[in-house]
This record gives sequence, C-alpha cells and structure tokens, in this order.
Amino acid sequence: NAGVTQTPKFQVLKTGQSMTLQCAQDMNHNSMYWYRQDPGMGLRLIYYSASEGTTDKGEVPNGYNVSRLNKREFSLRLESAAPSQTSVYFCASGTSLNTEAFFGQGTRLTVV
Amino acid sequence: AQSVTQLGSHVSVSEGALVLLRCNYSSSVPPYLFWYVQYPNQGLQLLLKYTTGATLVKGINGFEAEFKKSETSFHLTKPSAHMSDAAEYFCAVSDTDKLIFGTGTRLQVFP
Repeated sequence: NAGVTQTPKFQVLKTGQSMTLQCAQDMNHNSMYWYRQDPGMGLRLIYYSASEGTTDKGEVPNGYNVSRLNKREFSLRLESAAPSQTSVYFCASGTSLNTEAFFGQGTRLTVV
Repeated sequence: AQSVTQLGSHVSVSEGALVLLRCNYSSSVPPYLFWYVQYPNQGLQLLLKYTTGATLVKGINGFEAEFKKSETSFHLTKPSAHMSDAAEYFCAVSDTDKLIFGTGTRLQVFP
C-alpha cells in the first residue's frame, strides 16, 4: 500500500536555486494538497487541486507554483528558493476537498 | 472562513492518566471535524472524524472525541495514557473547499 508518495525526503538548496517536489497517490483521489509545517504554526495550505486540471491558491502561495500533471500526480515548484521556505512540506490527497486527507511522509527542505 | 483553535501547545500527563486535548472551531454551520496524530518524522495519520450522526466519535488507539455544537468544541480524550501516545495532535475543520488545521498540541507522557 503506497498511499501518498513524496520525493525527495530531504533536500538542501542554496538561496536562489529552484527545485520541484514530487507527489503521487495511488488511491484514485480527486483532491490533492500541498502544506508546509513550521514550528508553532501547524500546517498551512500552500496550494490545492480539486481535480485534474484545476489548481487554487491556499493560505501561503507566494513563492510557489504547482502542476496537477494528471489525477495521480501533483508537484510543487520553488522557482527561486529563499531561507523563509525552509520547512517540512507535506502532500496529501482525499476523495473531495473537505473530507479527510491522507498524507505523505514529508519532505524536509533547508534553504541556506 | 473557518478556523480552529487548539488550547495548549504542550500537554504533559503521567502514564495511565486521562488525556484531554482541546479544540474549538468557528463555524456558522455544522462542519466536518477531524483529529490527526503525527509521530516524530512522519506524516499525519487520521485518528477520528465527525461528519454527521452520533456526536461521540471513537477512533483508533482508544481515542474518542465529542462534538458539542453549543460549545463549538471537539475535544479529544483517552481514559488512560500510554507511553506510545506521545506525539503531536492536530485538530482540523472542513471549509467549503479545503481542510483547515490548528497549530497542534504536543503530548508528552511520563512514566
């Protein structure tokens, strides 16, 4: 049971570098999400996708872009990384937007 | 917009003691409510959820939560804490098109 798979698990970037975080789910879910987790701030929604071909901004979208490549995959791109983007990033999926979400194991990103 | 407040960023209990983690939500209509648990260096795992029907919801690992509309609360309880319950717990509420999470409560269990 793979569930939600995120790659990579760890990454160190230099300020200004770009990278893409990959996420794939095998549960045939329509909805997918990207959250970031920071100490004392819980999980904050970056972007979400209600279905293939649609994406919407969440609470903290600045500095990020997303692509819903197909029903299974939802990627998050940092075009020019900043130290403020140092965080743990979680991808999640669910059957619809306001029902329970299933989470990946997270990507720990450090921007130096 | 919906919001959720978790009172107490840290809670400490002795093994065998009652666990009570507090969650209040803001909503003008009955929401869907969730509790998630996060063990160190892992993703979030669903503990339990309230959608409709019975207001006392039972989840995994002996946890339960009661939806109280009059108090806009959805507190998480467990009668007897176990060392393995040490983790961070998140309350979440459904918005029209997404889930909104609280800031989390870290539970410590002492022997």
